[in-house]
Amino acid sequence: DSGVTQTPKHLITATGQRVTLRCSPRSGDLSVYWYQQSLDQGLQFLIQYYNGEERAKGNILERFSAQQFPDLHSELNLSSLELGDSALYFCASSVEGRGAPDTQYFGPGTRLTVL
Amino acid sequence: SQQGEEDPQALSIQEGENATMNCSYKTSINNLQWYRQNSGRGLVHLILIRSNEREKHSGRLRVTLDTSKKSSSLLITASRAADTASYFCATDRQRTGANNLFFGTGTRLTVIP
Repeated sequence: DSGVTQTPKHLITATGQRVTLRCSPRSGDLSVYWYQQSLDQGLQFLIQYYNGEERAKGNILERFSAQQFPDLHSELNLSSLELGDSALYFCASSVEGRGAPDTQYFGPGTRLTVL
Repeated sequence: SQQGEEDPQALSIQEGENATMNCSYKTSINNLQWYRQNSGRGLVHLILIRSNEREKHSGRLRVTLDTSKKSSSLLITASRAADTASYFCATDRQRTGANNLFFGTGTRLTVIP
């Protein structure tokens, strides 16, 4: 158990809908990262937050957005869902996230299926 | 986008044998990490090696890093059936000030009891 929790575990929804994925980082970790894992794209970095502020952005679509709250939990919002958004979405957390060697601990993931 | 490639894509060995996986990456890095993923589940951190290190050990794991060749290898000794999983290398990018990881394509390891 990494200490990172994600809810829900599974999500099935229809095209055009909007969903919210939630992540609670390990106690004491200030950085939260979101990654998407799909069969065709592999594991891709989406976005990072550090202590409530956006720090880095990767291949995140405009239809997706995220935020980190004062209690450091994070939410990833996916809207206008398409079939291709079906994937495993992982959240990871780390203590620092500001350039120093820093292990990221991954949550169990949310499996999103868009029908 | 993928930062690296793992080789081989799939590896099947008998229990007790050693397994070696290789990773190549494209840009200069601060550090390289290896993760394990059991089928469809979360990633488990195995080991981190810094760019100024050449070799690191953790239990049955041995990682090497050659920054001149932009490559790393993960050796699992005396493999067990429980080692069956996908293994990914992940790198950051030097001088970006960010810690987001770029993952390789993974090696699927099967250890036959």
